[in-house]
Amino acid sequence: NAGVTQTPKFRILKIGQSMTLQCAQDMNHNYMYWYRQDPGMGLKLIYYSVGAGITDKGEVPNGYNVSRSTTEDFPLRLELAAPSQTSVYFCASSYSRGDMNTEAFFGQGTRLTVV
Amino acid sequence: AQSVAQPEDQVNVAEGNPLTVKCTYSVSGNPYLFWYVQYPNRGLQFLLKYITGDNLVKGSYGFEAEFNKSQTSFHLKKPSALVSDSALYFCAFMRPGTYKYIFGTGTRLKVLA
Repeated sequence: NAGVTQTPKFRILKIGQSMTLQCAQDMNHNYMYWYRQDPGMGLKLIYYSVGAGITDKGEVPNGYNVSRSTTEDFPLRLELAAPSQTSVYFCASSYSRGDMNTEAFFGQGTRLTVV
Repeated sequence: AQSVAQPEDQVNVAEGNPLTVKCTYSVSGNPYLFWYVQYPNRGLQFLLKYITGDNLVKGSYGFEAEFNKSQTSFHLKKPSALVSDSALYFCAFMRPGTYKYIFGTGTRLKVLA
């Protein structure tokens, strides 16, 4: 039972490089999220998706892009990496239908350093 | 702005003593409230949630939380702390219909042997 799987676990990028953080879930959840975690700041929502083909901005979307072509996958793209994007990134998923809402399930995180 | 606040950056408690990690919310309507725990170098793990109904919610690992509408609080409690409870705890809310989980800044719990 894999749950939410994130790859890679660690990455070092140079300023201006691009990369995609991968996220996949096998629970048939309709909602998926990307958060970043900075020390003392808690988790900030970057982007979220309520289903395949639908994405929306969260609190801190600048410098990132997402796509949701399938229910399972929700990749996060960094186009021009900046030191301010050094952080730990978490993908999460949940299920919501009518009055039924599950809690969010989180991946193990990707630790990104931009130098 | 709608938010949750965790007023304590760190809470220290002796093993075997009761513990409380505080959370207050400033959210219109009837929010869904959650507690998560994060161990070092790990993702967040769900502990418990309040959606509706009984104000006292029981969760994983012996934790519980009480929803208090008049005080807009959702404090996390455990009757007897274990050293293994030492971790970072996050309170979160979701306003029904928004589908977004908004997190507090986290409280580091240290249980001393």
